[in-house]
Amino acid sequence: KNEVEQSPQNLTAQEGEFITINCSYSVGISALHWLQQHPGGGIVSLFMLSSGKKKHGRLIATINIQEKHSSLHITASHPRDSAVYICAVHAPMNYGGATNKLIFGTGTLLAVQP
Amino acid sequence: GAVVSQHPSWVICKSGTSVKIECRSLDFQATTMFWYRQFPKQSLMLMATSNEGSKATYEQGVEKDKFLINHASLTLSTLTVTSAHPEDSSFYICSGLGASGQPQHFGDGTRLSIL
Repeated sequence: KNEVEQSPQNLTAQEGEFITINCSYSVGISALHWLQQHPGGGIVSLFMLSSGKKKHGRLIATINIQEKHSSLHITASHPRDSAVYICAVHAPMNYGGATNKLIFGTGTLLAVQP
Repeated sequence: GAVVSQHPSWVICKSGTSVKIECRSLDFQATTMFWYRQFPKQSLMLMATSNEGSKATYEQGVEKDKFLINHASLTLSTLTVTSAHPEDSSFYICSGLGASGQPQHFGDGTRLSIL
């Protein structure tokens, strides 16, 4: 079992729909990241959060530390939102290896159709 | 926002050659640089972590003599794939971290194809 699980793995939506991507993790963390990877491969950091909720434009990210769960919401989805969305958690200090490591989920491939 | 420049974007070369990939932080000082590898339809896999002026920390299973990492300054880290073979073909991506507790800033990646 992966330490960071995302669902769904694939998601197709119609333009304008409200989208939710979920992330559950099993390790203790200091922070959680939501990343966006476009077809060309470049990665953009969307959010870094350790509690509560953050909003940026049409994107909203929430985290529940007690339940070890985070969600990424996209309101009024648009074809340009089509990308892979990756949840990553900051590994705890005693995880092993270098500090500040990220543990990645397997990603959610989102396709928004016009 | 913080920018990390990675180049080349893609490279095709013959088996046995060495390939150097550069990662530069343009508007911040990256005390730590991370190098990742990504196979098609898979998530990023951390290869190594480098701190400026010190030796890189490699993840288990990553050959340090094959993947040479240099982080000589706070704005530049390089990954050299030595004696590359077709199985080294992959997407390599770097990220820079300024201060602990801040988000990592990713480069656009390098698609490496070894013939």
